[in-house]
Amino acid sequence: AQKITQTQPGMFVQEKEAVTLDCTYDTSDPSYGLFWYKQPSSGEMIFLIYQGSYDQQNATEGRYSLNFQKARKSANLVISASQLGDSAMYFCAMRPNTGRRALTFGSGTRLQVQP
Amino acid sequence: DTEVTQTPKHLVMGMTNKKSLKCEQHMGHRAMYWYKQKAKKPPELMFVYSYEKLSINESVPSRFSPECPNSSLLNLHLHALQPEDSALYLCASSQEGNPIPNEQFFGPGTRLTVL
Repeated sequence: AQKITQTQPGMFVQEKEAVTLDCTYDTSDPSYGLFWYKQPSSGEMIFLIYQGSYDQQNATEGRYSLNFQKARKSANLVISASQLGDSAMYFCAMRPNTGRRALTFGSGTRLQVQP
Repeated sequence: DTEVTQTPKHLVMGMTNKKSLKCEQHMGHRAMYWYKQKAKKPPELMFVYSYEKLSINESVPSRFSPECPNSSLLNLHLHALQPEDSALYLCASSQEGNPIPNEQFFGPGTRLTVL
């Protein structure tokens, strides 16, 4: 079984600053994928970034980067140069690469970007 | 076309009604998913279809009946629902097979209210 923990229910950041959203996970699967999704108030889940458990380098996608520390079982999302449109709920999720290939989500972090 | 569509966007139904939620994708994905999301909670997996066959049922009550008539369509038939079934219902799709797909594409969701 997998477990995702997001310990920050809410975060505030000033516009143009960087922010880190924390995610730790627990799994017995040797191979897995880690994901971050953004959910605005409209409800749609927007895929942001993916990290494979065997990837040597941290994933980056534009202003998003994933700080992957496998030994610590953490996969923190870093958003650089925050924008007002980044205000949303952010979910960390994982999925094993074999067997039950379905996402397990953390409880989420609500990010508010202040002008 | 990297879009998953869901209809209707909003649905209000009584406990004796029968209704259906519809999900469609034209990305050639052979895995499709239904998730249920209560307010301020993460999405919870309900069903997974792989190659039009039900592969995962997360012990969902029988008042929810999924159907995958072809590789592009996924339906969720609703009957005799309870007020506690009110939630956002999200559909998602992904590729199947190897290599493991790196993301699930989500639709915008259907907001269901059961009176």
